[in-house]
Amino acid sequence: DSGVTQTPKHLITATGQRVTLRCSPRSGDLSVYWYQQSLDQGLQFLIQYYNGEERAKGNILERFSAQQFPDLHSELNLSSLELGDSALYFCASSVGRRTGGSTDTQYFGPGTRLTVL
Amino acid sequence: GENVEQHPSTLSVQEGDSAVIKCTYSDSASNYFPWYKQELGKRPQLIIDIRSNVGEKKDQRIAVTLNKTAKHFSLHITETQPEDSAVYFCAASKGSGSWGKLQFGAGTQVVVTP
Repeated sequence: DSGVTQTPKHLITATGQRVTLRCSPRSGDLSVYWYQQSLDQGLQFLIQYYNGEERAKGNILERFSAQQFPDLHSELNLSSLELGDSALYFCASSVGRRTGGSTDTQYFGPGTRLTVL
Repeated sequence: GENVEQHPSTLSVQEGDSAVIKCTYSDSASNYFPWYKQELGKRPQLIIDIRSNVGEKKDQRIAVTLNKTAKHFSLHITETQPEDSAVYFCAASKGSGSWGKLQFGAGTQVVVTP
């Protein structure tokens, strides 16, 4: 168990709908990262938040958005869902040292499996 | 941006033999190289990582080597066991502290046969 929690575990919805995935980082971690894993695209970085602020964006669609709340949990919102959005969505967290050293170690949550029908 | 290539895509080994997975990266500024193990439907689990200030790191049956000049790093698993069967991902990142997203390789499916 990495200490990162994600809910729900499974989500089945229809095209055009909107869903929200939730992530709670490890205790004390300030950074949250979202990754998408699909069969044909592998593990792709979507977006990162640090202490409530967006820090980096990757291959995130405009239909997707995220935020990190004052208690440091994060939510990933997916709207106007398409069949191709079906994937495993992982959240990871890291300590988030402000300066120095190389990238912090990231620990992954159990993921949310999204199925769009 | 950073590009990480991983080989082979599948690897079948006999129990007790060694397994080696190789990754190359494109950005010479990358300074952090973790390896994750993922079992079917489960989360990627960090098994070992190496930072650019060292060339080799070992943890029991697992070792990672880094060649910064050639921009490649490798995972070595010795005395493989059936429970080592999984998909292994390498990743690379540049940055400092929280300024670092992971760029993953495509993964290697390792099958250990008894």
